Amino acid sequence: DAGVTQTPRHEVAEKGQTIILKCEPVSGHNDLFWYRQTKIQGLELLSYFRSKSLMEDGGAFKDRFKAEMLNSSFSTLKIQPTEPKDSAVYLCASRTGGTEVFFGKGTRLTVV
Amino acid sequence: QQQVRQSPQSLTVWEGETAILNCSYEDSTFNYFPWYQQFPGEGPALLISIRSVSDKKEDGRFTIFFNKREKKLSLHITDSQPGDSATYFCAAKKANYNVLYFGSGTKLTVEP
Repeated sequence: DAGVTQTPRHEVAEKGQTIILKCEPVSGHNDLFWYRQTKIQGLELLSYFRSKSLMEDGGAFKDRFKAEMLNSSFSTLKIQPTEPKDSAVYLCASRTGGTEVFFGKGTRLTVV
Repeated sequence: QQQVRQSPQSLTVWEGETAILNCSYEDSTFNYFPWYQQFPGEGPALLISIRSVSDKKEDGRFTIFFNKREKKLSLHITDSQPGDSATYFCAAKKANYNVLYFGSGTKLTVEP
């Protein structure tokens, strides 16, 4: 059974570029989450989808971050335009009726 | 602001010692508290969890102690092994809402 798949694993962008990160949740999972991970803040919620509907859109990230669920098995996170402070690991996670949340390995973004 | 706080930021213990990782929270409506373990280059993975109706949860060498009145919990790792070296995240969830709120993590190093 495939886990959460994130691509690419690493991304380098120039300041001002648009980047799109991709996520395939575990098959059959209804909930999908995007988190940003930094050493100082830990994991911060960016977006939460339930059955493809956006339930929560992390307030501090609204202006340049946009997550979408194109279908139940694919989600994207667009950052536009990128800034150096966006350098972080972006994690996608999914869950179904139980309580355990399954994480992907993340995309490490570096903005120069 | 951070809804879940962790301390210390980093911790080093010798092999065989007990490592104690601390966590506190603000929102009294949190009722489920998982701990996640993360190795470099990997996503966080569920290690052990506790519900607010319990004050202790044990799984092998890992034990959660929970104090609802003080809104504090701790993860005890007995007989620490070098393979336990990882970053540990405390998280919290409210009833009927599927978002996990994470702390900033504790990086544990177990020296042989």
